[in-house]
Amino acid sequence: NAGVTQTPKFQVLKTGQSMTLQCAQDMNHNSMYWYRQDPGMGLRLIYYSASEGTTDKGEVPNGYNVSRLNKREFSLRLESAAPSQTSVYFCATRWRLQPQHFGDGTRLSIL
Amino acid sequence: SQKIEQNSEALNIQEGKTATLTCNYTNYSPAYLQWYRQDPGRGPVFLLLIRENEKEKRKERLKVTFDTTLKQSLFHITASQPADSATYLCALEGAQKLVFGQGTRLTINP
Repeated sequence: NAGVTQTPKFQVLKTGQSMTLQCAQDMNHNSMYWYRQDPGMGLRLIYYSASEGTTDKGEVPNGYNVSRLNKREFSLRLESAAPSQTSVYFCATRWRLQPQHFGDGTRLSIL
Repeated sequence: SQKIEQNSEALNIQEGKTATLTCNYTNYSPAYLQWYRQDPGRGPVFLLLIRENEKEKRKERLKVTFDTTLKQSLFHITASQPADSATYLCALEGAQKLVFGQGTRLTINP
């Protein structure tokens, strides 16, 4: 019973490269979220998906795209990575208005 | 604009004492507030939820209060232990999304 699985755990990119962060859940939750966490800034919402087939922007969506592939999977794509996107990225899931369940993050460095 | 602030970035407490963390908010009328714990290299883990009509909630050595007049929540850990050392995050519900404070890094010294 894995809960929320994020891949990869670590990644180093060069400026301008693209990549997709993957998130998969086995909790059968409808809602899924992508956050970034930076020192002193807390968790900031990038995008979320309230249900399969829907996505909405959060507080800091610029430079990112998302895909809710199915109920289980929610991916985050950086089309042209910038050093300002160096961060730790967390995926979370939620059933209705219950507390969120988080993965253990992807640590992304952009040089 | 809406704002959530946790009173300090870091807090050091002697083992056995009560640790008290503060979460203040402005321009919100949250239905409830949540507290999470985050260990280094891990994602946040849910601890407690308190609703606007509840003044206090307890779980083992943890206690949360919620004062909607002061717009403040207090998070207490009694009889603190070194294993309680972690970062603690408060979060408010807003339009089906959670908004998080920046966290307080708590260290319990033996």
